Amino acid sequence: GAVVSQHPSRVICKSGTSVKIECRSLDFQATTMFWYRQFPKKSLMLMATSNEGSKATYEQGVEKDKFLINHASLTLSTLTVTSAHPEDSSFYICSAKAGTEAFFGQGTRLTVV
Amino acid sequence: AQKVTQAQTEISVVEKEDVTLDCVYETRDTTYYLFWYKQPPSGELVFLIRRNSFDEQNEISGRYSWNFQKSTSSFNFTITASQVVDSAVYFCALSGGGADGLTFGKGTHLIIQP
Repeated sequence: GAVVSQHPSRVICKSGTSVKIECRSLDFQATTMFWYRQFPKKSLMLMATSNEGSKATYEQGVEKDKFLINHASLTLSTLTVTSAHPEDSSFYICSAKAGTEAFFGQGTRLTVV
Repeated sequence: AQKVTQAQTEISVVEKEDVTLDCVYETRDTTYYLFWYKQPPSGELVFLIRRNSFDEQNEISGRYSWNFQKSTSSFNFTITASQVVDSAVYFCALSGGGADGLTFGKGTHLIIQP
């Protein structure tokens, strides 16, 4: 099956710094990728839809200036958490669609100290 | 708007028991897709099944089976002869297809006790 690779799997950063998370589709081209956030023991919430070559579409309540998304190629989308704060600590997971199939990355556990 | 409800927050059973995880969904789309994922403590999502709205046939895969009923907007998941390795959080999700992301339920934490 299709593979989506997400990197890094874990990251610890200091408050005020920015962190970039990469999501790659390894064996297929993904014009659309999705970014989800999961708080501990909670569900996955869609943050934004990343479209290759155009601006991302953010869900209501998600700060686009805080969570910068770039989808520069058909196989790579990046999520940058800018000026991170402890409340941004969470599990972030990306997904890429191939047709109607949804494939997920391994997730990134972000801890802001 | 789409909505997925997993009313069971946590289920605990003894190994070898059968267990059913409930999923009820809401959508206005006529074409949609339903998914089940398993999330072990490592966090990654393990794909279990995808069904489209036009296929109501029940499916069985080993000890896993799924019952899709459009009349009740339900897509329930049954594990027969449960094993300790089945312990995880299970998510039901819904997509309208196309460029839509998935709408997830809140998940059911399944605990299989030895």
